[in-house]
Amino acid sequence: QVQLVESGGGVVQPGRSLRLSCAASAFTFSGYGMHWVRQAPGKGLEWVALIYYDGSKNDYADSVKGRFTISRDNSKNTLYLQMNSLRAEDTAVYFCVRDNWIVGSVTSYDYWGQGTLVTVSS
Amino acid sequence: DIQMTQSPSSLSASVGDRVTITCRASQTISNYLNWYQQKPGKAPKLLIYAASSLQDGVPSRFSGSGSGADFTLTISGLQPEDFAAYYCHQSYSTPITFGQGTRLEIK
Repeated sequence: QVQLVESGGGVVQPGRSLRLSCAASAFTFSGYGMHWVRQAPGKGLEWVALIYYDGSKNDYADSVKGRFTISRDNSKNTLYLQMNSLRAEDTAVYFCVRDNWIVGSVTSYDYWGQGTLVTVSS
Repeated sequence: DIQMTQSPSSLSASVGDRVTITCRASQTISNYLNWYQQKPGKAPKLLIYAASSLQDGVPSRFSGSGSGADFTLTISGLQPEDFAAYYCHQSYSTPITFGQGTRLEIK
């Protein structure tokens, strides 16, 4: 069955960097766009970034633009999120999600990872 | 940015009830609207995509409707496992945005 497994979360000081990874399995990773979505403790869902199936395009929420970079390695079936200049407000569970877009339909998130917690604190 | 406003923010209901959650977009988004259910400590689960299409494996008591800017999620015959948080989600344009969520609690 489709699996998305995030790793790389932890406690980090403000201004430091962290890289999240998401290992995908049981589907053709190179055929799907991928996103990162986060959820601050006790709060709602916030879209963070997207990357096309082939890595040709990406986009970011204004709150992370210029600080975070989404990338992928289709040969390793892995999605990444490089997070620089971290702030307290970046504290959240980060979910890796699969974009279920097909021609004639809409982007939706049909598979989610279990999430990895990033805590930004001194 | 497209703002998504859900109502109500919380809702109390009983097993067997029919409940409706609404989501309004700040501009027209055609049918680029999805609904998710999230239980505490778990990842969200896709229920409805493209406003009214039921995701595989989701019980038929869940249904979605709407187009343009106004959408509804209806649960007909609440089951104990349905008490959770629900989020709408627009994928019409970036930045992709979610509603603030609706917490469905047992009365």
